[in-house]
Amino acid sequence: EDKVVQSPLSLVVHEGDTVTLNCSYEVTNFRSLLWYKQEKKAPTFLFMLTSSGIEKKSGRLSSILDKKELFSILNITATQTGDSAVYLCAARNSGGSNYKLTFGKGTLLTVNP
Amino acid sequence: DAGVIQSPRHEVTEMGQEVTLRCKPISGHDYLFWYRQTMMRGLELLIYFNNNVPIDDSGMPEDRFSAKMPNASFSTLKIQPSEPRDSAVYFCANSPIGGNTIYFGEGSWLTVV
Repeated sequence: EDKVVQSPLSLVVHEGDTVTLNCSYEVTNFRSLLWYKQEKKAPTFLFMLTSSGIEKKSGRLSSILDKKELFSILNITATQTGDSAVYLCAARNSGGSNYKLTFGKGTLLTVNP
Repeated sequence: DAGVIQSPRHEVTEMGQEVTLRCKPISGHDYLFWYRQTMMRGLELLIYFNNNVPIDDSGMPEDRFSAKMPNASFSTLKIQPSEPRDSAVYFCANSPIGGNTIYFGEGSWLTVV
């Protein structure tokens, strides 16, 4: 059975801190790893990673994938209160008509002023 | 494009009643997914369709749940009879063929009392 495990489950930091969120996966015919941010409503897409060692970056957020060790990390530098959210990691299996995203339970990040 | 549109946004119903959740996907997005999200289990894939055809319904919890996609612009998820443990947020999501991510609707917040 496909499985995605995120850690920590929750994290409380102060504004300006740097955080690292972890995601490990076991997925048959792995294709890509995705990160989402979920505030009050629907998850919104952050990154998609397919290749090991290539960092994806968007502002203060960055992410990298290690396909050998089957994990990914999401880094947020200089955190702001607006970064408070649940961060979800999802692993996708191979394409064609087979398209399944398996989600982790998420990491609840709280950034205090 | 208005994105994925779900209705109702909130539903409170009594145990034993039938519940129908609706989804209007993004035009041209061939994959449609139904997810359920709870605190305990996170985001779980219930079923997904490709070109209106159900591909994988292994996540549908039991016979009380059924999903249909009669055409490319409409899908329903039905629970009959509903139970309190069905209380969750139900998300409909879409992806185009070859797409890198899936796009979530705002969710239908279901409470069964």
